[in-house]
Formats: sequence, structure tokens, C-alpha cells
Amino acid sequence: EVQLLESGGGLIQPGGSLRLSCVASGFTFSNYALSWVRQAPGKGLEWVSDITGSGGSAYYANSVKGRFTVSRDNSKNTLYLQLNSLRDEDTAIYYCARDGYGSESYPFDHWGQGTLVTVSS
Amino acid sequence: DIVMTQSPDSLAVSLGERATINCKSSQSVFYSSRSKNYLAWYQQKPGQPPKLLIYWASTRESGVPDRFSGSGSGTDFTLTISSLQAEDVAVYYCQQYYTTPYTFGQGTKLEIK
Repeated sequence: EVQLLESGGGLIQPGGSLRLSCVASGFTFSNYALSWVRQAPGKGLEWVSDITGSGGSAYYANSVKGRFTVSRDNSKNTLYLQLNSLRDEDTAIYYCARDGYGSESYPFDHWGQGTLVTVSS
Repeated sequence: DIVMTQSPDSLAVSLGERATINCKSSQSVFYSSRSKNYLAWYQQKPGQPPKLLIYWASTRESGVPDRFSGSGSGTDFTLTISSLQAEDVAVYYCQQYYTTPYTFGQGTKLEIK
């Protein structure tokens, strides 16, 4: 059974930093690209970032480019998102999701339960 | 960026009746060399992560009831629930995975009339 489990969320002041983790199980981790998707309270879904299975390529939404960094450790089956220079508008539930297989783009077929990041002074 | 626009924003349908949600992309998400539309539909219930329902515009994910169907190509897509059940109350999102940034529609809230 595919499982994704996020952690690392919490309350952080504007300008602060946080690192989110997503531990995966139930599939060959390095074969799949993974994405981070966020959802502000009461709002819709916003794709944040994607990283290829090897970790060789990463992609970002314009809203987080230069502030967030995605990475992965395939030996630990873990995906990370480093959040720097946090703003109020980054407050959201952050989900990790499995997407592409190999070089092909695929929909997000498995999602974690999410971790809440609250940016507030 | 590809902008995804759903209509309507909310919808109330009687139990057993048909529900139809539309999604329009600002540019085609059809990859001609692969003959596929890179368009997915998700269902999200309160307090839960989204769940994949439909991908490649019309392929039902394993375990999804056959009352859910997807259609369309290029820039115009539709999610249809043929006979609404109480458990279908949720917010529905379309998404293009044709190119980054992957983008979602704003969501359509489906309720029981």
C-alpha cells in the first residue's frame, strides 16, 4: 500500500524558515517524481514544487521561486521542502503527492494527509 | 502559465440526478505525439486530501464508481456524475499536468438540493 506521511509543520513568524518532510512507503521511491501542493485555509489547491525521481531536476511555482527548495533522499525514501523567508500568505496545509513515473508526467495518484504551516507574528 | 477555469463555482443537485462540472484550459493540454489529454479530476471532502478520480481526461482511477465519467479534449473538459449519491458531496478540481507549473481549477462545490 502506497503511503505518504508529511511532518514538520507548525507556527512560524514571518521571515522565518521551516523544513517539511514526507516519508514514503509501498513503492519504489526513486522511480517517481513527487510534488508539493498547498491549500490555504478555505481556499483551493496550489501546486508548489516538483522534483524528478533522481532528484536531478526541480520545478517551482512563481510564488515560491527563490524562497522554497525541494530535495529528496532516495536512500531514506524521504522528500523535503525547505521554506525560507516565509510570508503570511504561505499559511496553508502542505501536501506531498506522487506524480510522474520515469520521464512521463502523470496525475497525482497518491497524497499524504498534509502538514499545517501557519505564518503569523 | 496554463489557467484552468471551472464552472460553475457551486452546484446543487438532487439525489439521483446528474451533475455536470466544466473545466476550460487557457491552452490545449492535448499532447498529440502521445494522443493524450493531460487533464485530471480530483474530489476533496472536508478534512481530507484530494482523491484522484479521472486522468487522461476520461480514464477512471481504480476503485472509482462508474457513475463518474470524464470527457473532452484540447481545452474543454467535463466531469459528469450520472446519478448523485449523498457521499458525492465534495469540492471537485480539475488539473492540467501537461506542463509545469501544474495548475488547478478554482474548485466546484457540489451539494445536495
